[in-house]
Amino acid sequence: AQSVTQLGSHVSVSEGALVLLRCNYSSSVPPYLFWYVQYPNQGLQLLLKYTSAATLVKGINGFEAEFKKSETSFHLTKPSAHMSDAAEYFCAVTLKTSYDKVIFGPGTSLSVIP
Amino acid sequence: SAVISQKPSRDICQRGTSLTIQCQVDSQVTMMFWYRQQPGQSLTLIATANQGSEATYESGFVIDKFPISRPNLTFSTLTVSNMSPEDSSIYLCSVDGPGSEQYFGPGTRLTVT
Repeated sequence: AQSVTQLGSHVSVSEGALVLLRCNYSSSVPPYLFWYVQYPNQGLQLLLKYTSAATLVKGINGFEAEFKKSETSFHLTKPSAHMSDAAEYFCAVTLKTSYDKVIFGPGTSLSVIP
Repeated sequence: SAVISQKPSRDICQRGTSLTIQCQVDSQVTMMFWYRQQPGQSLTLIATANQGSEATYESGFVIDKFPISRPNLTFSTLTVSNMSPEDSSIYLCSVDGPGSEQYFGPGTRLTVT
């Protein structure tokens, strides 16, 4: 069965600094991987997804993530944090089948310090 | 991407009562999903709802507690029955996108007193 871990339940960065949110997955077969963002009092919004094309995936709002099979990682980065990036971020995994449920990581809360 | 709405957006309910949450999608979809997000926690899948068949429940969730209806390809309801304070959560519905991603509704914030 697949699983997702996110190192760091809370990350604080200064405005303008690099954002790095860590995600590691466990899967017996090559998975699909996703990052979602949840702003306060809102539902989840897809940031980006990896579906076995390019290993470096670019998403919305300047975020990107790199799939590293050897490290079973899919870390999310953004070169320069903005105050509006403060939110909860979830990494998720699903298998490449016609239907398989999505497993969400525990989430990382990102704070941006002015 | 699909646009999903949920009603109500939030509610405060007394223990022992039931609340029905509605989920409406702007396009026809085969499967709809219901998740629970307890305070400060990640998402847990409650069940998958296919139109015209019984919902499939995940381990730890039962139909008597969380009955689900799926009358057509754009609508579903989740009922939280005989509520207790432990049911206080955000309940989210979602649908599949073309690349296995999911699109989520804004959630229903439930507080049980």
